[in-house]
Amino acid sequence: DVVMTQSPLSLPVTLGQPASISCRSSQSLVHSDGNTYLNWFHQRPGQSPRRLIYKVSNRDSGVPDRFSGSESGTDFTLKISRVEAEDVGVYYCMQGTHWPLTFGQGTRLEI
Amino acid sequence: EVQLLESGGGLVQPGGSLRLSCAASGLTFSTYAMTWVRQAPGKGLQWVSSISDSGANTYYADSVKGRLTISRDNSKDTLYLQMNTLRAEDTAVYYCAKGGQLREIDYWGQGTLVTVSS
Repeated sequence: DVVMTQSPLSLPVTLGQPASISCRSSQSLVHSDGNTYLNWFHQRPGQSPRRLIYKVSNRDSGVPDRFSGSESGTDFTLKISRVEAEDVGVYYCMQGTHWPLTFGQGTRLEI
Repeated sequence: EVQLLESGGGLVQPGGSLRLSCAASGLTFSTYAMTWVRQAPGKGLQWVSSISDSGANTYYADSVKGRLTISRDNSKDTLYLQMNTLRAEDTAVYYCAKGGQLREIDYWGQGTLVTVSS
């Protein structure tokens, strides 16, 4: 199975400041169709997850442009340019390239 | 507006069975792959099973293979998860989710809690 390793697991941030979450995969996530199926999800306390980013760097509809995704080989990064109060919660990366689908452990973002 | 509404969760004894349902609305259900993901209390997300839009293809996590069965009824816009021989470690909130293709998850339901305990 592909292991997704997130860091840090806890991220204290200041409102208005940038934040960055890393996700490393244990093997390449480039699919034979040429796509890289790496997603980022955000889960607020007591809510179901919401997808923010798909295929490494594509923002979902309605996701603020302060969120961005990037990659360098098997290292993936989610960046928030200026943290807002509504950004608190847990962020998960997930790979969809290989079966079984696997998630990172989650990164808790706290103000 | 897309809605995925899970039901069927509850308290069940170890070794027991349960069937979860996920009723979809606001989308052409038969054109989407569907997935079950679970989250144990206070823990992270774990993929459980996925099914193609037609139902012809299914995938399972090793931890549930042979005990849990995913299925769908496109005439009823409903996804199912038949859960047999349940164990304490199956205790979790079970989310249904949709995706454009099998390996994608783009929208989640609110979840239903399954508790396996004597």
